[in-house]
Amino acid sequence: AQSVTQLGSHVSVSEGALVLLRCNYSSSVPPYLFWYVQYPNQGLQLLLKYTTGATLVKGINGFEAEFKKSETSFHLTKPSAHMSDAAEYFCAVSERSNYQLIWGAGTKLIIKP
Amino acid sequence: DVKVTQSSRYLVKRTGEKVFLECVQDMDHENMFWYRQDPGLGLRLIYFSYDVKMKEKGDIPEGYSVSREKKERFSLILESASTNQTSMYLCASSFGRSGLRYEQYFGPGTRLTVT
Repeated sequence: AQSVTQLGSHVSVSEGALVLLRCNYSSSVPPYLFWYVQYPNQGLQLLLKYTTGATLVKGINGFEAEFKKSETSFHLTKPSAHMSDAAEYFCAVSERSNYQLIWGAGTKLIIKP
Repeated sequence: DVKVTQSSRYLVKRTGEKVFLECVQDMDHENMFWYRQDPGLGLRLIYFSYDVKMKEKGDIPEGYSVSREKKERFSLILESASTNQTSMYLCASSFGRSGLRYEQYFGPGTRLTVT
């Protein structure tokens, strides 16, 4: 069965520093890939997605992610962290045969002033 | 903008009570989902529905049931609430069309406490 691993339940970076949140999936067939963000006491919001085509995907709020098939990874990056980026981030992968998404456990991003 | 609304943001219920959580979407989406979210466990799928009156069990359906009588509305029912059902409940919806069906839109969540 498909699985998604997010390395680090908490990641702490200084304001202005690079943000790197890691996501690896298990499927041998390239799936659709997603990053969602959840701000405190809110639902999830789509940050970006990869379906087909260009492997570097740009999303909202300056985030981007690169699909690397050989590494089965879809890591999320942002060049310069802002205090408003503090949130929980979820990586999700589709099961192409059905409607469902398989979710990672989430990574809480902490921004230090 | 896609809008998914949930009937309550916060809910406190007693053990043994029957609990109804309502979700409504306004984008004519075919698919609707109920998840529960617990710290360190990510999102776990309880039930989903791909059409009116259709439902499929997710990963953790025990203790829950669902109802979808209209396309825009998907209800989650806790038949007899227990303390281990204290959690954040998230509703989501998506299109049914191929290529679009995986992008899910979420409501704000209902934080349920069972005492």
